[in-house]
Amino acid sequence: GAGVSQSPSNKVTEKGKDVELRCDPISGHTALYWYRQSLGQGLEFLIYFQGNSAPDKSGLPSDRFSAERTGGSVSTLTIQRTQQEDSAVYLCASSLRGELNSPLHFGNGTRLTVT
Amino acid sequence: AQSVTQPDIHITVSEGASLELRCNYSYGATPYLFWYVQSPGQGLQLLLKYFSGDTLVQGIKGFEAEFKRSQSSFNLRKPSVHWSDAAEYFCAFSGGYQKVTFGTGTKLQVIP
Repeated sequence: GAGVSQSPSNKVTEKGKDVELRCDPISGHTALYWYRQSLGQGLEFLIYFQGNSAPDKSGLPSDRFSAERTGGSVSTLTIQRTQQEDSAVYLCASSLRGELNSPLHFGNGTRLTVT
Repeated sequence: AQSVTQPDIHITVSEGASLELRCNYSYGATPYLFWYVQSPGQGLQLLLKYFSGDTLVQGIKGFEAEFKRSQSSFNLRKPSVHWSDAAEYFCAFSGGYQKVTFGTGTKLQVIP
């Protein structure tokens, strides 16, 4: 079956522009996570969805970042007025039910470059 | 504060040699612990996980990890490394709810 799909795979944008990153989780997975991976920083938790609601959005770095999930499936991470420090790889993961004995399945990420 | 630390940023081993990657956590109770691997250009893949019970857990690709409560550690081991094991390895931790926190990763280089 298909894995977690993220688009675009690469995005170059000018400082100040808005960007949307998309994640298609594995069919039937109710939990969805967004992480940011910067060089030497590991994976930084951004937000977690269970169904369409976000019980934990504590990792969103500023109010320029927002995310939504519709139909319990596709999720979009939006970054407004991008800054150079937003450059990173944005990873999406999904899991069945969001329980800890259900492993996270990761997409290949979107590499965002802000010039 | 709850956290997970990987003290080694980069490790180089010879093919066929044994491997141990270190992971330490900070948490007041027994955590849920994971090791993930990220091959170049790939997403992360779960190698193994520890929730409770036997402190030595076996994973995929011949990896194992041992939970040591007294040392707050969950080190990853492999008896004989293959060139295909070159990748970045992430230790991850959860305190029992859905948020999984990752360490900064250890890059493994395998030399012939």
